[in-house]
Amino acid sequence: GENVEQHPSTLSVQEGDSAVIKCTYSDSASNYFPWYKQELGKGPQLIIDIRSNVGEKKDQRIAVTLNKTAKHFSLHITETQPEDSAVYFCAASIRTGTYKYIFGTGTRLKVLA
Amino acid sequence: NAGVTQTPKFQVLKTGQSMTLQCAQDMNHEYMSWYRQDPGMGLRLIHYSVGAGITDQGEVPNGYNVSRSTTEDFPLRLLSAAPSQTSVYFCASTLLAGGGSGANVLTFGAGSRLTVL
Repeated sequence: GENVEQHPSTLSVQEGDSAVIKCTYSDSASNYFPWYKQELGKGPQLIIDIRSNVGEKKDQRIAVTLNKTAKHFSLHITETQPEDSAVYFCAASIRTGTYKYIFGTGTRLKVLA
Repeated sequence: NAGVTQTPKFQVLKTGQSMTLQCAQDMNHEYMSWYRQDPGMGLRLIHYSVGAGITDQGEVPNGYNVSRSTTEDFPLRLLSAAPSQTSVYFCASTLLAGGGSGANVLTFGAGSRLTVL
């Protein structure tokens, strides 16, 4: 079945350093890849997304890259700040038209001051 | 706008009891869905709906029922709770993109933590 693998499960970085989270998907029909941030006690919130016809997308300190051939995509956070500490989930759409997403297992990011 | 509202935030049940988790959205979103979040498992889709009167199963539908009588509400029912249903439940909704592009931004509720003893 469809699957999304996410690594690492936990990541600690010093404030100001960069953080990279990687995901691999299995469904070659996937065409939309969102990233969600979940703060403690809250629901996930979209921070950035990318479609299959784009290789890279940036939004200030956050960027996402997509390699369709290898079926993996990554989240890059530069100049990390304490407020970036949260759990991050990647997701991939499955079977266009079903509006379903398979989520990764999450990465707990800790930014150390 | 309140967005997606889930109630209750916390609930403790005994095995075999039934209950309903409520979800309401005020954004006129056609698509609504329920996920459960378990440690190390990410978010798994339980049931979803693309409009009033239409529901379908996700990855882990067993033990759960849903209905969609209005655009705004999408309740999740546990008919006979089991300890394996201890989890945090999230409701999420979105507008449907034209042509089934699959690119929709999910808006999540704050979650409902359920413990089944």
